[in-house]
Amino acid sequence: DAGVIQSPRHEVTEMGQEVTLRCKPISGHDYLFWYRQTMMRGLELLIYFNNNVPIDDSGMPEDRFSAKMPNASFSTLKIQPSEPRDSAVYFCASSQSVDRNYGYTFGSGTRLTVV
Amino acid sequence: AQSVSQHNHHVILSEAASLELGCNYSYGGTVNLFWYVQYPGQHLQLLLKYFSGDPLVKGIKGFEAEFIKSKFSFNLRKPSVQWSDTAEYFCAVNTNAGKSTFGDGTTLTVKP
Repeated sequence: DAGVIQSPRHEVTEMGQEVTLRCKPISGHDYLFWYRQTMMRGLELLIYFNNNVPIDDSGMPEDRFSAKMPNASFSTLKIQPSEPRDSAVYFCASSQSVDRNYGYTFGSGTRLTVV
Repeated sequence: AQSVSQHNHHVILSEAASLELGCNYSYGGTVNLFWYVQYPGQHLQLLLKYFSGDPLVKGIKGFEAEFIKSKFSFNLRKPSVQWSDTAEYFCAVNTNAGKSTFGDGTTLTVKP
């Protein structure tokens, strides 16, 4: 398996622009998570899905952030409009509940810089 | 709700020293416990996990962790660290649900 695949690896955008981050989880995994990591705030859970359904989005900073999972193999995190304080590394992770194997597999992350 | 505490924010050791990183959680029921490692500039990777059975769990790269239920602890150990172990280490707890709760992480710096 290729693991959790995120794209793009790096994104530099201007303030006010729309940014879309993409994630392909491991096949068969029924949970998908979006995290944000910064030096100041550490690792923050933004939202997670179970069987493509959003379960908890309480970590989403504000209405500028939205996430979708249209099918089991694809999810997006969108920021519109982007702001400099959104600069961070965004990680996607997936896991499976079968056999209580809840260990996460993380993608390589998307480093977002908003200027 | 469960919580995870990693008391050491930054640990500095010399090569060949022994390592123990503390992790305590607050939850009275059945837990699944994990340690993840994040090398500089990389993503988190699963180091080891505990579900049941032998409370002493062995992971990759010589790491091990011991689950002590009475102390709500899951400390990470390594007898002799190497420079390549420099990384951030995260403890996480899962209560048989999809979402794990992560600690704030401990940064380990190993001096050559």
